[in-house]
This record gives sequence, C-alpha cells and structure tokens, in this order.
Amino acid sequence: KQEVTQIPAALSVPEGENLVLNCSFTDSAIYNLQWFRQDPGKGLTSLLLIQSSQREQTSGRLNASLDKSSGRSTLYIAASQPGDSATYLCAVRKETSGSRLTFGEGTQLTVNP
Amino acid sequence: DTEVTQTPKHLVMGMTNKKSLKCEQHMGHRAMYWYKQKAKKPPELMFVYSYEKLSINESVPSRFSPECPNSSLLNLHLHALQPEDSALYLCASSQVGRGRGETQYFGPGTRLLVL
Repeated sequence: KQEVTQIPAALSVPEGENLVLNCSFTDSAIYNLQWFRQDPGKGLTSLLLIQSSQREQTSGRLNASLDKSSGRSTLYIAASQPGDSATYLCAVRKETSGSRLTFGEGTQLTVNP
Repeated sequence: DTEVTQTPKHLVMGMTNKKSLKCEQHMGHRAMYWYKQKAKKPPELMFVYSYEKLSINESVPSRFSPECPNSSLLNLHLHALQPEDSALYLCASSQVGRGRGETQYFGPGTRLLVL
C-alpha cells in the first residue's frame, strides 16, 4: 500500500527566506508526483507535476525535485512571501492505481511579514 | 482556460433531504473525480469517471451517487446523509484517465454541512 508522508507538518518562516518542503513515498512504482497548494476552505491549485522519468520541474520561484528510487520529492520555494502562506500537499499516482492520487497530510506554511 | 466550476459553494441540509452537487469543466478532459476532504486532512477519492466509465472507492456509502450526464458535467447526488458527511467536496478533472502525465485540476469545492 502506498503511503505518502510530508515533513514538517507545519512551518513558520520570516518573509524572504528560502525554504524546502519534503515529501516521501513508500512505493517507487509511480507515474508522477504532483505538488498542490490549498488556501483555507478552498480547492487545490496545481503547482508542479513531475513525471517519473524527470528529475525536477521549475515554475517561477518554485522548484520541485524527484528521486524516484529513494522515494523522495522536495519543493523548494525561493524568497518566500506572505502570499505563499497555505497548505502544500504532495500526491503520487501509482502505476497500478489508475487515476487515483495518494495524498500526503500536507505542510502548513506561514510566511510572516 | 483551466477552470473547474462547482455549485453550490455552500450547502446546509437535513438528514432527510435530497440534494445534488454539480461540477463542470470545458477543458475537454475525459476524466472527472469527486473527492471528500475533512478539516486538516488530505482529500479522499470517492469516484472517478474515465471515458464515461465509473470507478468507485468501495468505502463510499451508497447515500452518495455520482452521475455523469456528459463528458463536461459531473453530479453528486446526496440522500439521507449523516452529520459525519459534513466536509468540503472537491471536483477535479484531468485530460485522460489512463496515461502517465495528466495534471488534475480542482474546483473550489462545495462546503457541505449536514444537520
């Protein structure tokens, strides 16, 4: 059974700091890994999707890496801003689970002005 | 346009009511999903329609019934719900239901309260 773990559960940083969110998964037979952002009471916003054959993806101040063999992904946020405050979720799509995503519990990020 | 719309935004219903949640996308996606999300928990998949074929999470009770009138619309019919069904219900869609690289796009959700 695929399990996805995110560390830390919560993180508070001052504005301008660079930070790393971690995601680990137990079954390396994945199609892809996706990072989402969720604001309180809102839907999920897709940030980055990394295919199993890729090592990283970048979008603006965000960089996501994937080490499939070790079952790890990181989301790097550069020069954090108060508007980055949200819960960040990673989700993996297994090769044997069709379209089903397995989510981690999320990291709640607070960026203080 | 990467928008998934959901109506209503909020819904309060009694345990004897029948209501429906609606979801729509115009991205030409052939897979649509219903998720349930409790507070401070990740979304849990309830149903998937992929090329109009339904897949069910076996743990979802029969008081929830999905309907896919066409490839752009997805409904979730609610009947005889329990207070523990109160949650945020999220709809999502993706380009293909099978394949490696599709991104799932989520709607804003319907906040449901069952009294």
